[in-house]
Amino acid sequence: GAVVSQHPSRVICKSGTSVKIECRSLDFQATTMFWYRQFPKQSLMLMATSNEGSKATYEQGVEKDKFLINHASLTLSTLTVTSAHPEDSSFYICSARDGGVRETQYFGPGTRLLVL
Amino acid sequence: GQNIDQPTEMTATEGAIVQINCTYQTSGFNGLFWYQQHAGEAPTFLSYNVLDGLEEKGRFSSFLSRSKGYSYLLLKELQMKDSASYLCAAQDSNYQLIWGAGTKLIIKP
Repeated sequence: GAVVSQHPSRVICKSGTSVKIECRSLDFQATTMFWYRQFPKQSLMLMATSNEGSKATYEQGVEKDKFLINHASLTLSTLTVTSAHPEDSSFYICSARDGGVRETQYFGPGTRLLVL
Repeated sequence: GQNIDQPTEMTATEGAIVQINCTYQTSGFNGLFWYQQHAGEAPTFLSYNVLDGLEEKGRFSSFLSRSKGYSYLLLKELQMKDSASYLCAAQDSNYQLIWGAGTKLIIKP
C-alpha cells in the first residue's frame, strides 16, 4: 500500500517551454500533497503544499506564477513549470500524505527535469 | 525556530552496526520520521515514532525521547546496499514535516 506515482520520470525541454508533472496516489486518498525540489547533493526543499480543492501554499521564495499547482482530486496533483529556464533543471519530487493517524508522507519516484 | 540536526556524513563497515542521531526543535510535535534516500532516487519511508521508546523493524530500529528532543536510527548487520542518505523529519503541530539535511552513510567492505 501507500504507492505514489509520478509522471514523467524524466523530461528534457527547451528554454521557454512549459512542463507538466503529474503526481498520483494510487491506493489511498491524499487531501494533501507536497512538491519538493532537490538539486544535486543538496537537501530536499519544500516548494509548496497542495490541498485538494483549494489553492496551494507556496514556500517563501517560490514563485507561484512560475510553478503552477493544481490539486483537482484526492488522488492527483500537478505541477506545471512555466517558461522553464536552465536554472529550473532539478529533481522534482512529490509526496502524498495518507491522512491517517500518522499522517505519513509517501514519496513519488521523482521527475528529473533538464532545461536546455 | 524549528530545527533538525543530524550528522552530515558517517562511515561504517559491512556487517557492523551504526547509529544515526537526530535532535529536533519544533513548534508542537506529532511524530518523528526516518526516510532513506539512495543517490538519484526519491526518499522512501523507513519508520515513524510518536511515543518514547524503541521501534524495531527487521535490521532497522528507531528510538525516540520526546523529553530530550532526540531520536536515533539504528542499522544492524550493515549491507552495501544500505549506503544512502538518511533523512530525519519531525512533524510539527500543523502536521508539517521539518526536515533535517540528511546523513550520508558510507558502507565500506
